[in-house]
Amino acid sequence: ETGVTQTPRHLVMGMTNKKSLKCEQHLGHNAMYWYKQSAKKPLELMFVYSLEERVENNSVPSRFSPECPNSSHLFLHLHTLQPEDSALYLCASSSLADSTDTQYFGPGTRLTVL
Amino acid sequence: DAKTTQPNSMESNEEEPVHLPCNHSTISGTDYIHWYRQLPSQGPEYVIHGLTSNVNNRMASLAIAEDRKSSTLILHRATLRDAAVYYCILRDWSQAGTALIFGKGTTLSVSS
Repeated sequence: ETGVTQTPRHLVMGMTNKKSLKCEQHLGHNAMYWYKQSAKKPLELMFVYSLEERVENNSVPSRFSPECPNSSHLFLHLHTLQPEDSALYLCASSSLADSTDTQYFGPGTRLTVL
Repeated sequence: DAKTTQPNSMESNEEEPVHLPCNHSTISGTDYIHWYRQLPSQGPEYVIHGLTSNVNNRMASLAIAEDRKSSTLILHRATLRDAAVYYCILRDWSQAGTALIFGKGTTLSVSS
């Protein structure tokens, strides 16, 4: 399934580094999401973009900064992260007009903060 | 949001049917029942959804109780590739464009 792609698949960074995660969807969707999955925990929402506008920020620390330049691309800019931010970061997309309300997920970026 | 309850884990043998239960006693009349699964080292994927009637697709079947307070995801012939965490999620139609609320799901193990 290549409808939603994420790069890089794995990332190791120090606490002082700045990096960005990229998500691209090839499905013509108009809503995009960032989720975080920490070890042994359920997925939790970070951000929602609908029609390229951020509509939900789930109390995420400012060291995570999302960007949605167009309906196909979503970024998560990272700076001065903490070791506890190590997790699987998942991007998803959906169509607001889809009556099945299905979200399509990318494979995720496995982030390790040293 | 209405809550769902699933067993933490289940085991199955290959080629046998698997019935994964989900309780949702506080479901509202407009809530759809969605199932997603997450294979190891992958993002979640949509499996099936329904409102009142039983549903079938190429991946699974969904049996919904008459009072809608519970449902069962049925894998007709489990394969090793079906080993995953299965999530039962309730969604109102008005929630399109909002986050999916994931619980802990049911971890399905399949043995050969």
